[in-house]
Amino acid sequence: TQLLEQSPQFLSIQEGENLTVYCNSSSVFSSLQWYRQEPGEGPVLLVTVVTGGEVKKLKRLTFQFGDARKDSSLHITAAQPGDTGLYLCAPNNLNSGGSNYKLTFGKGTLLTVNP
Amino acid sequence: DTAVSQTPKYLVTQMGNDKSIKCEQNLGHDTMYWYKQDSKKFLKIMFSYNNKELIINETVPNRFSPKSPDKAHLNLHINSLELGDSAVYFCASSIIAGGSQFFGPGTRLTVL
Repeated sequence: TQLLEQSPQFLSIQEGENLTVYCNSSSVFSSLQWYRQEPGEGPVLLVTVVTGGEVKKLKRLTFQFGDARKDSSLHITAAQPGDTGLYLCAPNNLNSGGSNYKLTFGKGTLLTVNP
Repeated sequence: DTAVSQTPKYLVTQMGNDKSIKCEQNLGHDTMYWYKQDSKKFLKIMFSYNNKELIINETVPNRFSPKSPDKAHLNLHINSLELGDSAVYFCASSIIAGGSQFFGPGTRLTVL
């Protein structure tokens, strides 16, 4: 069973600050997805990273996939109240030749950006 | 148009009752899922169907029975509800199994 950890579990910052959240595991993944969930809503996909060392940017959000594809980070620059939400990482362990494709979600980082 | 819809949004019921949650997606996706999110926000997969065929069945009590009448619908029936079943249940879909997931708005189930 893979161990998947997201840190920090909670983060409360002021508007304009920068932050980084992490997703770590002992397993190697074929790809990894990041989602944001706002209160009372379902998670929404932000990005998928596939290649080791890959960096993707989405406005003020920068996602990185570790070289060994065991970890990922999400950096937010100049956070805004609209960034508030639960950030979930979901690595994908594709079993080759089989049909057992599933995502395993981390426990998430609950981010609060105060105005 | 809503891509993934669930009904009802809220469900309050007594222990021992049987209830169903319905999910529909209009994205033309082949794969649909049911997830359970507990009070600590941990999102855990329960079931997945690919083209109406069950492909993932996690360790879930057999009181939970999913049904997929067609590719666009995945319903969840729960028998003999227990207090521990209280949670938010999310339906999701993806183009391929394990791909980018589109979630519904969730059904908040409260068992009294």
